[in-house]
Amino acid sequence: AQSVSQHNHHVILSEAASLELGCNYSYGGTVNLFWYVQYPGQHLQLLLKYFSGDPLVKGIKGFEAEFIKSKFSFNLRKPSVQWSDTAEYFCAVKGAGSYQLTFGKGTKLSVIP
Amino acid sequence: AAGVIQSPRHLIKEKRETATLKCYPIPRHDTVYWYQQGPGQDPQFLISFYEKMQSDKGSIPDRFSAQQFSDYHSELNMSSLELGDSALYFCASSLVRYEQYFGPGTRLTVT
Repeated sequence: AQSVSQHNHHVILSEAASLELGCNYSYGGTVNLFWYVQYPGQHLQLLLKYFSGDPLVKGIKGFEAEFIKSKFSFNLRKPSVQWSDTAEYFCAVKGAGSYQLTFGKGTKLSVIP
Repeated sequence: AAGVIQSPRHLIKEKRETATLKCYPIPRHDTVYWYQQGPGQDPQFLISFYEKMQSDKGSIPDRFSAQQFSDYHSELNMSSLELGDSALYFCASSLVRYEQYFGPGTRLTVT
């Protein structure tokens, strides 16, 4: 069975600080990887995705993630966070031939102005 | 751009009642998914449909059933509701097995 591990439960940063959220997955095959963001009281929004090709993927709002196959990791990064990035971030994995998304437990990001 | 539509947005039911949640996918999307998110939890996959056929099944209780109709909208039927069913129910849609776009969710409260 596939699983996703997010290393940090809650991260607190000051504005303009750099962000890296860790994500490791377990799956015995080709994977598709995603990061979703959930602002308070809102639905999940897709930040970025990886299906194949360049392991460094860029998403919306200045976020990027790097797929490192040897480490089963897909860490999310942003060079300079803003107060509006305060939200919960979920890493998710899906087998390439399957439909089901498996989510990590999420990381709450609080950005202090 | 058009998004996934879910109705109702909020629903309050009593124990042992039934509930029906509706989902309207993004136009031209042929796959619909249902997820359950408990308070402070990550979303858990329930079931999915591709071209009106069940395509995958997760941790969906036997008391729940779902289907996808000819216009691609989907309904999640929940019977004999329990307090533990109180959660946010998300629907998502995609084109085949590509990235999933989530709706705003239906918040179900069982009293």
